[in-house]
Amino acid sequence: SYELTQAPSVSVSPGQTASITCSGEKLGDKYACWYQQKPGQSPVLVIYQDNKRPSGIPERFSGSNSGNTATLTISGTQAMDEADYYCQVWDSSTWVFGGGTKLTVL
Amino acid sequence: QVQLVESGGGVVQPGRSLRLSCAASGFTLSGHGMHWVRQAPGKGLEWVAFMSSDISNTNYADSVKGRFTISRDSAKNALYVQMNSLRAEDTAVYYCAKSGGDYASGGLDVWGQGTAVTVS
Repeated sequence: SYELTQAPSVSVSPGQTASITCSGEKLGDKYACWYQQKPGQSPVLVIYQDNKRPSGIPERFSGSNSGNTATLTISGTQAMDEADYYCQVWDSSTWVFGGGTKLTVL
Repeated sequence: QVQLVESGGGVVQPGRSLRLSCAASGFTLSGHGMHWVRQAPGKGLEWVAFMSSDISNTNYADSVKGRFTISRDSAKNALYVQMNSLRAEDTAVYYCAKSGGDYASGGLDVWGQGTAVTVS
């Protein structure tokens, strides 16, 4: 079965750029999505189809996907962006999530 | 307003069954693929099951295949998951989620608030 790997945690200072990566074999051949989940809340889709933002998602969220790595980039990170972030792909009629990355803004 | 509301969670003994429900409003289930996703306490997201908009396709994670069944009642605009032979490792918050426009690339764009299942 397909596997996605994420670093457990990433730290960033307010106003700086946060990069959260997701790795998998030939990940660039698939479409990556990203979700934000704050404590006690349901996940929210922030990026789909590698780099598209759903309505209502701030422009500071962007995505890219090439080779074996997909990246979620948060520009001008704000305190409200502190959350868990999960990548996800579709593979062989299954939907696979990465293990999640806890983003700390400090 | 597009909304999903799950119900039916609770505490159940190992080996028993439980059926979760997901009531949709603001859109018609028959026009969209739908998922169940779960999250064990303190853990990450795990995809569980999917049903296509025309119900011709259902897919399951290996961990639940043969034990869980996803279904839909179009008249009630509701999604269900029947969970049989429950195990301790099925303990989780279960979310229903709506598929984006394209199943492979659109992501899961609307999520419910989740319902907690404890198998003990």
